[in-house]
Amino acid sequence: GENVEQHPSTLSVQEGDSAVIKCTYSDSASNYFPWYKQELGKRPQLIIDIRSNVGEKKDQRIAVTLNKTAKHFSLHITETQPEDSAVYFCAASTTGSGTYKYIFGTGTRLKVLA
Amino acid sequence: DTEVTQTPKHLVMGMTNKKSLKCEQHMGHRAMYWYKQKAKKPPELMFVYSYEKLSINESVPSRFSPECPNSSLLNLHLHALQPEDSALYLCASSQGRGSYEQYFGPGTRLTVT
Repeated sequence: GENVEQHPSTLSVQEGDSAVIKCTYSDSASNYFPWYKQELGKRPQLIIDIRSNVGEKKDQRIAVTLNKTAKHFSLHITETQPEDSAVYFCAASTTGSGTYKYIFGTGTRLKVLA
Repeated sequence: DTEVTQTPKHLVMGMTNKKSLKCEQHMGHRAMYWYKQKAKKPPELMFVYSYEKLSINESVPSRFSPECPNSSLLNLHLHALQPEDSALYLCASSQGRGSYEQYFGPGTRLTVT
């Protein structure tokens, strides 16, 4: 079946450095790629998303890039801060007539060291 | 109101009990979802409701029974659960069933004894 691979599973960076998390999806029909941040004991919250007709999107310190040919997309966080520490999940969504998939990656635990 | 609320926050139930989880949103969203999340794992989609009709059931065992009484409410009825069903159950909603951001509730932490 369809799946989404996410790497790395854990990532430690120094405050102020950049962090990059990568996801690869298998379903070429996937057309929406959100990223969620989940702090310990809290709900997942969307931080950025990208649709299949766009190659890159940026929102302040956060950016996402999409390579449809290679079927992978990446989250880039610049100037990391301790409050960025959390688990990050990518997801790939496929919507069509009678079809709906919303598959999460396995998650990346990001630790930003002060 | 941009929040999805869920009750109860915690639930402990025996394998012979019947209980229900509740979810509510007042954002006018027409799609609502149930997810199951085990510790240190990603959320797994269980059910999708679109315009109050069940549109997706991801091969979930019949001991889980969803219900959407109206466009703002979503229930998950539980009966004869197994200990391995212990998890965080998340409700989410979105504008529609397509490529939209999903807004998650805080979840119900379920323990089956």
